Amino acid sequence: AQKITQTQPGMFVQEKEAVTLDCTYDTSDPSYGLFWYKQPSSGEMIFLIYQGSYDQQNATEGRYSLNFQKARKSANLVISASQLGDSAMYFCAMREGRRTPTGTASKLTFGTGTRLQVTL
Amino acid sequence: KAGVTQTPRYLIKTRGQQVTLSCSPISGHRSVSWYQQTPGQGLQFLFEYFSETQRNKGNFPGRFSGRQFSNSRSEMNVSTLELGDSALYLCASSSRLAGFTDTQYFGPGTRLTVL
Repeated sequence: AQKITQTQPGMFVQEKEAVTLDCTYDTSDPSYGLFWYKQPSSGEMIFLIYQGSYDQQNATEGRYSLNFQKARKSANLVISASQLGDSAMYFCAMREGRRTPTGTASKLTFGTGTRLQVTL
Repeated sequence: KAGVTQTPRYLIKTRGQQVTLSCSPISGHRSVSWYQQTPGQGLQFLFEYFSETQRNKGNFPGRFSGRQFSNSRSEMNVSTLELGDSALYLCASSSRLAGFTDTQYFGPGTRLTVL
């Protein structure tokens, strides 16, 4: 079953405008973390923002904020005042708190990504 | 603090060969994870190492293996390369055994092309 769903393959936004990138997730684990990463054409995955399942407030990091709606299992990324340098692929990811029999935490599961293009 | 480094950045190999990729985590980080990224399959988890022990493994064949050294540096090996192994291989580190609150920081990746 798809654990992370990003329904927008591509998005366009004008410079200085705000944009919302959608992410829905599926888990039965009460403990989980949600992450957003940015991947420019160079390939490196850049961490943007984190939201924990027990966090009461939405996470914010500079121009990035996370609209966390737990009951709807959504964790949308909002980028305010878009810049040309924001053009990239954006990935939503989740790690669950469930431990395996060996005692390790589970993997980071990624969505398929959204390609954001910022225009003048 | 220096970020995660990966070497080499680009590799071209032929089918049947083997390859070793290297990853140096952020100083002080003890957990290293490896991911494969392809256009068709997206980002897939390969394995995680912590304190020189493999702690978690994805659904990849035994041709994919790895190890971690006492200084937390990690290597990934792929034997008997196939065309489908062409991908961007990303390494990520975190400060401790990855729990649901722990952020993984990624390196620039190694782009492997198998001819």
